[in-house]
Formats: sequence, C-alpha cells, structure tokens
Amino acid sequence: GPKVLQIPSHQIIDMGQMVTLNCDPVSNHLYFYWYKQILGQQMEFLVNFYNGKVMEKSKLFKDQFSVERPDGSYFTLKIQPTALEDSAVYFCASTPGQGSQNTLYFGAGTRLSVL
Amino acid sequence: GDSVTQTEGLVTLTEGLPVMLNCTYQSTYSPFLFWYVQHLNEAPKLLLKSFTDNKRPEHQGFHATLHKSSSSFHLQKSSAQLSDSALYYCALSYSGGSNAKLTFGKGTKLSVKS
Repeated sequence: GPKVLQIPSHQIIDMGQMVTLNCDPVSNHLYFYWYKQILGQQMEFLVNFYNGKVMEKSKLFKDQFSVERPDGSYFTLKIQPTALEDSAVYFCASTPGQGSQNTLYFGAGTRLSVL
Repeated sequence: GDSVTQTEGLVTLTEGLPVMLNCTYQSTYSPFLFWYVQHLNEAPKLLLKSFTDNKRPEHQGFHATLHKSSSSFHLQKSSAQLSDSALYYCALSYSGGSNAKLTFGKGTKLSVKS
C-alpha cells in the first residue's frame, strides 16, 4: 500500500542545536501532518499543512518549530533551537484530500533524542 | 477537551482466544472513531473506522461497534492469531478526512502467545 517514509529513524542531537526531520509523503497526497509521541504517552497532533501553509497547529507546536515542503520535496519539521523536552518520536502523516473516505497514512516515526 | 481512554499497558492472550481491547472517549460533538495498529518498527496503519450509518466496520477479522450511549468503540476479534501481536491505538476526530486532527489514546500492546 501507500507508504510514508521518514528519514532518519533515529536522530541524536545536543540541546540548543537545530534539527530537521524529513518526511517523504505518499506521492499524490496534498495534506500533511506531524504528530509527537513522548515515551509512554499518546501521539499528539502538532500541525497540519496544505498548499504551502500551516492550516492548524496545537499548543505543542512551539515558536521554535517550523514546517515546510519546498517544491514538492520532503515535508520537513525543523526545531531550532532544540530543548530536552523535544525528545520524542515524531510521526509524519499524509492524506490525499478532504472527506471521510480519506485515510491518514503514517510513517514509522523518527525518534529524536535531545541530550 | 476531547480524550480517548484505552485498556492500559499490555494484554497477553493465548492464540485462538477472543480479543477485546477497550476504548472509551469523551468529546464535545459526535466524532468518528478509529483503530490503528502498529507492528514493531512499522508505521501505524488504519485498521478500522466507524461509519456514519452505524454499520459495523470489519477488517482482518477485527470488528468494532460504536456505541454512542456509552461512548465506546471496543475492538474485538473472535480468535487471536500470533500475527495480531502489535500496538493498538484508538483515536477520534470530527472529520474523516484531511483536516482530521486525530486525538489518540495511549495505546494497548497486544501480545499473542502459542
């Protein structure tokens, strides 16, 4: 079936540094999402993105976070600067359009460890 | 706010026995309910989604019934298989589509043993 690829699967970074998490969504999908899962907790919505713009973001989407998808390439989540509490698994997801017939397809996640 | 509560932690079953993973929710409006399954080192994948017409969704032997009166969407299967071992997430949203902001439960780990 359709696959969302996330690269890398694990990233270790020092606090204060910048990190970019990459997501290769399903090719014909138009809507993109990031979710965050802290160890032992539920996945929580961060942001969704359509047509080059953030559609909605949660309170977890701090000012240090940004998303973009330049020229149809990777959909990225950038954190600058990183903080210890940013350590989590970040899941990317995509869907082709609106309507109840559409399914959200997730990647396998990138585990971010901030030291 | 909205929330989803699932059977906590690990559920261990012997192959062939029935599966029931609980999911209850709190929501402001009438939501769609979902079950996602995540096998080890894989992406979460949609297993089931509630219908607007109260049909019971079924997939891979799993089924779930949305009970609005009890705010529940329990996941059931008559006979567990070894390959069912995975992490199961219950989630809700107010749209079945692209602007669906899913609210997830913490997940239930199912371990099926022979």
